[in-house]
Amino acid sequence: DTEVTQTPKHLVMGMTNKKSLKCEQHMGHRAMYWYKQKAKKPPELMFVYSYEKLSINESVPSRFSPECPNSSLLNLHLHALQPEDSALYLCASSQGQGANEKLFFGSGTQLSVL
Amino acid sequence: KNQVEQSPQSLIILEGKNCTLQCNYTVSPFSNLRWYKQDTGRGPVSLTIMTFSENTKSNGRYTATLDADTKQSSLHITASQLSDSASYICVVSGYSTLTFGKGTMLLVSP
Repeated sequence: DTEVTQTPKHLVMGMTNKKSLKCEQHMGHRAMYWYKQKAKKPPELMFVYSYEKLSINESVPSRFSPECPNSSLLNLHLHALQPEDSALYLCASSQGQGANEKLFFGSGTQLSVL
Repeated sequence: KNQVEQSPQSLIILEGKNCTLQCNYTVSPFSNLRWYKQDTGRGPVSLTIMTFSENTKSNGRYTATLDADTKQSSLHITASQLSDSASYICVVSGYSTLTFGKGTMLLVSP
């Protein structure tokens, strides 16, 4: 299994809603990532987990809350989002955290905040 | 500041034709360079990885080149197919950094 699975594929939420994005991989990778991608822009790193510990937070607003329940799962909890948070949210994993590592991306969750 | 510049921003070619995408970088120190293909609404998929000592690497109809002296890379697509329509992103790794280019949007027209 060389896939990173993300659910849901699409999500529409209001600014007062609470929702969660889920990501799962069974490749034994020890690093997992959340990226945000706006249309026609490259992915922007949000969070990195290494061995289930948060290692990088790229100054992301607290309305985004990551969680890594175990080595295969990564969640992103959303609360009180703004319309400008609408984007494609990509999860990725790699064997280790080093910059040389190949990233395996999921298909993403297309999020629309109304 | 680490930067990755890609050109052209977008490109339209006829099916069966060849094309070349460019990537210039200022990442230092340099570790490796990857080309990713991203279909619309999907996550990027790695096509090739180039390290400092490699000049050319092929993956099917995709051939990547790297000139570490001029800090330039290219991705050549041979005999394009409709399924090649996608965004192609150049990603350069430093020892602890990962810098994404903005991508080239390729449209292969029948």
